[in-house]
Amino acid sequence: GQQVMQIPQYQHVQEGEDFTTYCNSSTTLSNIQWYKQRPGGHPVFLIQLVKSGEVKKQKRLTFQFGEAKKNSSLHITATQTTDVGTYFCAGHTGNQFYFGTGTSLTVIP
Amino acid sequence: KAGVTQTPRYLIKTRGQQVTLSCSPISGHRSVSWYQQTPGQGLQFLFEYFSETQRNKGNFPGRFSGRQFSNSRSEMNVSTLELGDSALYLCASSFQGPPVGYTFGSGTRLTVV
Repeated sequence: GQQVMQIPQYQHVQEGEDFTTYCNSSTTLSNIQWYKQRPGGHPVFLIQLVKSGEVKKQKRLTFQFGEAKKNSSLHITATQTTDVGTYFCAGHTGNQFYFGTGTSLTVIP
Repeated sequence: KAGVTQTPRYLIKTRGQQVTLSCSPISGHRSVSWYQQTPGQGLQFLFEYFSETQRNKGNFPGRFSGRQFSNSRSEMNVSTLELGDSALYLCASSFQGPPVGYTFGSGTRLTVV
């Protein structure tokens, strides 16, 4: 069954508001990756986190990997309409690569 | 450089038929993996090939198979198609596989009628 869950499933925000999606795994992950998929498009790699407690930033996006390497979060500050899409986390555990269930972000102008 | 190319973009097949999808990775990338994306099940890992060998496999029935050629191009085959196989099939490539990020193709939209 699904081992990597994301919450929330959907999020509507007003442009300028912040947004956070959380990713939780039932098992320890060797790494966590984040992807963005625009409507009608394909997933695009954003970043990878490997170390326990690691935090990385890309402009308005902040990515965090939990201390136990079982959870991760993506935080977007001051959302823009270009942030619209579905954000997926994905992690390796053993020989398997699991994608999270995704969080669909809608930004209202 | 060219991205990951998947052909065909769209496909309509009848239940019981078989289908072959193709993926050409970014030049120099040796790892190719396949995913099935549906609204209900999300993105599910099918299998990964590296240097012509299947390295990892997801939890899909044996009707789903694949292979990789010496030039790293990969094909995925689904036999005895079922209605539930209708999905977007995505291929992704990377230089050596995990743990680096993958570059995805635009996918093949398969509809089984």
